[in-house]
Amino acid sequence: NAGVMQNPRHLVRRRGQEARLRCSPVKGHSHVYWYRQLPEEGLKFMVYLQKENIIDESGMPKERFSAEFPKEGPSILRIQQVVRGDSAAYFCASSEGTLDTQYFGPGTRLTVL
Amino acid sequence: QKEVEQNSGPLSVPEGAIASLNCTYSDRGSQSFFWYRQYSGKSPELIMSIYSNGDKEDGRFTAQLNKASQYVSLLIRDSQPSDSATYLCAVNGRSGAGSYQLTFGKGTKLSVIP
Repeated sequence: NAGVMQNPRHLVRRRGQEARLRCSPVKGHSHVYWYRQLPEEGLKFMVYLQKENIIDESGMPKERFSAEFPKEGPSILRIQQVVRGDSAAYFCASSEGTLDTQYFGPGTRLTVL
Repeated sequence: QKEVEQNSGPLSVPEGAIASLNCTYSDRGSQSFFWYRQYSGKSPELIMSIYSNGDKEDGRFTAQLNKASQYVSLLIRDSQPSDSATYLCAVNGRSGAGSYQLTFGKGTKLSVIP
């Protein structure tokens, strides 16, 4: 019974490049969430998606960041023109319903050089 | 701005003792409440969920919820060194966008001394 899968686990990018993070939710879960955790900081909500729809992107920076959850395939968090301040751990979580428990993937550690 | 407050710690307890972790939240309309454990460099893993006032027990863990006081706690009985981690309180409430959003506290670092 596979949990939430994320890849890559570690990603190194130079300033100005694009970072693409992937997340496959628990089988049967249609709600996907992305969080960012800066070193020694708490988890910050970024975006909430259901299949083909962005439900809430209030935590996501307006510039350079985008997310999608297509009908087929994983959810993608895309960061364009990365800057050093984007270095963080990015976690994806999924749930069966809106108020249900969110289960987290192992995260992608992004390092921007 | 919805807030979830936790003491950052570190909270040190001797092995075998009870560890008590506390959390307060600002959004009175919050619906569901969670405790996650996060080891250094790892992802959060669920310890307990609680939806209604009172106590909920699962093995060595007891979650307590008091919606009137906007307070959630986690008790860990017979603490073990393997319980040493950061414990995150998370509260699910309405976001400005109209959906539900999980807000996390910054976490309490627990250290269980052998």
